[in-house]
Amino acid sequence: GAVVSQHPSRVICKSGTSVKIECRSLDFQATTMFWYRQFPKKSLMLMATSNEGSKATYEQGVEKDKFLINHASLTLSTLTVTSAHPEDSSFYICSARDYLRGGETQYFGPGTRLLVL
Amino acid sequence: KQEVTQIPAALSVPEGENLVLNCSFTDSAIYNLQWFRQDPGKGLTSLLLIQSSQREQTSGRLNASLDKSSGRSTLYIAASQPGDSATYLCAAEPMNYGGATNKLIFGTGTLLAVQP
Repeated sequence: GAVVSQHPSRVICKSGTSVKIECRSLDFQATTMFWYRQFPKKSLMLMATSNEGSKATYEQGVEKDKFLINHASLTLSTLTVTSAHPEDSSFYICSARDYLRGGETQYFGPGTRLLVL
Repeated sequence: KQEVTQIPAALSVPEGENLVLNCSFTDSAIYNLQWFRQDPGKGLTSLLLIQSSQREQTSGRLNASLDKSSGRSTLYIAASQPGDSATYLCAAEPMNYGGATNKLIFGTGTLLAVQP
């Protein structure tokens, strides 16, 4: 199946700093990628849809100025958590569909664990 | 608004037992339903995807069924093994004008422990 990677796998930062998380599709091109967050023992919640070459689409309740998304190429989307606070600590996961290969399965990255002190 | 629920929240079985995980959704207008596996601290691995027009899908020891009218899906695992221990998540993709929305609504998962 298609491979999606994320970097870093985990990050610890001080409150007030910004953190950038990368999501890459390694063996396919993704015009659309998706960003989810998962709190401990909770389910995944879709945050936003990242569109290559255009603005991301955010879900209701997600602050676009807080979570900046850039999808500058067909294989890379980045999520920047700006002025991070402890309540932003979470597990962030991205996914992408390989439309050229067909099928509707979303391939997920391994996730990035963010801890804000 | 689509809501997805999974029961039980946790399940412990001895090795070799057959088991069923349940997933229910409130809105039958789904494009597809998917089952995923998540190991601790890891991302998701897709197990099975059932299109809205399908009733079931099988892959090895796994069989997933879909009953849209009742808003239910089940994941059947045959002859369970300790390596099956993980959290299993189901996700419904809502339909929009008959097409895909690409938005997955996840259940809270079932934590499965298979005892050797």
